[in-house]
Amino acid sequence: GAGVSQSPSNKVTEKGKDVELRCDPISGHTALYWYRQSLGQGLEFLIYFQGNSAPDKSGLPSDRFSAERTGGSVSTLTIQRTQQEDSAVYLCASSSTKLNEQFFGPGTRLTVL
Amino acid sequence: GNSVTQMEGPVTLSEEAFLTINCTYTATGYPSLFWYVQYPGEGLQLLLKATKADDKGSNKGFEATYRKETTSFHLEKGSVQVSDSAVYFCALSSGNEKLTFGTGTRLTIIP
Repeated sequence: GAGVSQSPSNKVTEKGKDVELRCDPISGHTALYWYRQSLGQGLEFLIYFQGNSAPDKSGLPSDRFSAERTGGSVSTLTIQRTQQEDSAVYLCASSSTKLNEQFFGPGTRLTVL
Repeated sequence: GNSVTQMEGPVTLSEEAFLTINCTYTATGYPSLFWYVQYPGEGLQLLLKATKADDKGSNKGFEATYRKETTSFHLEKGSVQVSDSAVYFCALSSGNEKLTFGTGTRLTIIP
């Protein structure tokens, strides 16, 4: 597609359930990033992929959070045993090695009840 | 580590007023600097960028100059419009790595 896509656009879940969020980057972009946007914390970096490997996982807030990327394309962010403080908009971005610019998807709004 | 300090909002201006949103940064090495904009109900979009000292980024009438001596990247526009109402984020990155964002400034333009 023309841009970064994310699914679902909205997810409501109960505390303690696991959720999976998906990101489809722009075709050909080797770098992929996950960020979180919440009212109290602003925009926070979570994890960065170069190809299928993740050289920087420093932003993952706990071991309940994990992410993978397969085929150098689609990425999935998984949150296990969700907590209310996980409620936020999760943003995915991708970039090419030639352009120092990240393109963002529309985000997934996660609400944990 | 890297950090970005951005002018707190919200900012409310009348149409055709002059806009400045201050941004200063702390970084190792020579980062690239960005302004992103988030219009109501939309995703983050790159507004402009500068990759080295004294570069000026510009787009849609907005400008920002990379000032290494003052570690600043202030956003300016000479005459704002109602359609400029949005949240503006200053950000930096070192190489092809993560963006570090400021807290965002909500701008509202009154007709």
